[in-house]
Amino acid sequence: SQTIHQWPATLVQPVGSPLSLECTVEGTSNPNLYWYRQAAGRGLQLLFYSVGIGQISSEVPQNLSASRPQDRQFILSSKKLLLSDSGFYLCAWTRLAGESYEQYFGPGTRLTVT
Amino acid sequence: RKEVEQDPGPFNVPEGATVAFNCTYSNSASQSFFWYRQDCRKEPKLLMSVYSSGNEDGRFTAQLNRASQYISLLIRDSKLSDSATYLCVVLLGTGGGNKLTFGTGTQLKVEL
Repeated sequence: SQTIHQWPATLVQPVGSPLSLECTVEGTSNPNLYWYRQAAGRGLQLLFYSVGIGQISSEVPQNLSASRPQDRQFILSSKKLLLSDSGFYLCAWTRLAGESYEQYFGPGTRLTVT
Repeated sequence: RKEVEQDPGPFNVPEGATVAFNCTYSNSASQSFFWYRQDCRKEPKLLMSVYSSGNEDGRFTAQLNRASQYISLLIRDSKLSDSATYLCVVLLGTGGGNKLTFGTGTQLKVEL
């Protein structure tokens, strides 16, 4: 069966510090991968998605970046965090289900920028 | 207009009640539809896909009205454990990364 891992689970970082969040998927190959952010009391905002190694699409302009160095690894980074980067970061992958695609989420990383 | 709109709630219902959530979407080209459940401070989890013919999974029934661009979720015999936020989700198409659009969610609180 497929599983998705994210780490760390929680993170407290000062403004201006760098960030690296990692996501890995097991049990599937060449998945579409996604990074979302959920601010407190808000909906999910798609940040990046990737359809393959080295292929990254950005959905919103910001000081974050993403990379996909391996088939089942997706990394979210920042060189300098802002207070507004605080939130719940979720990685997800999609699975073909019939004629549609179902999306499954990792456990998330809760980031607090202080 | 938001792409996916839901009543934010909260819906406070007694245990055993039947509760219905509604959702509308703006893009008539949307192809697939889902309901997700999100517990407090947890990741969203797929509850069920929504098919044109309607579908049922135990106490949960989902329906889709493409003409009205409307999706519903019915929960019968509510349990305390059903308390969560329910997210209406739409897939526009199968190209361009199969991106989903999420509603902001409807909060359900089931009480004794």
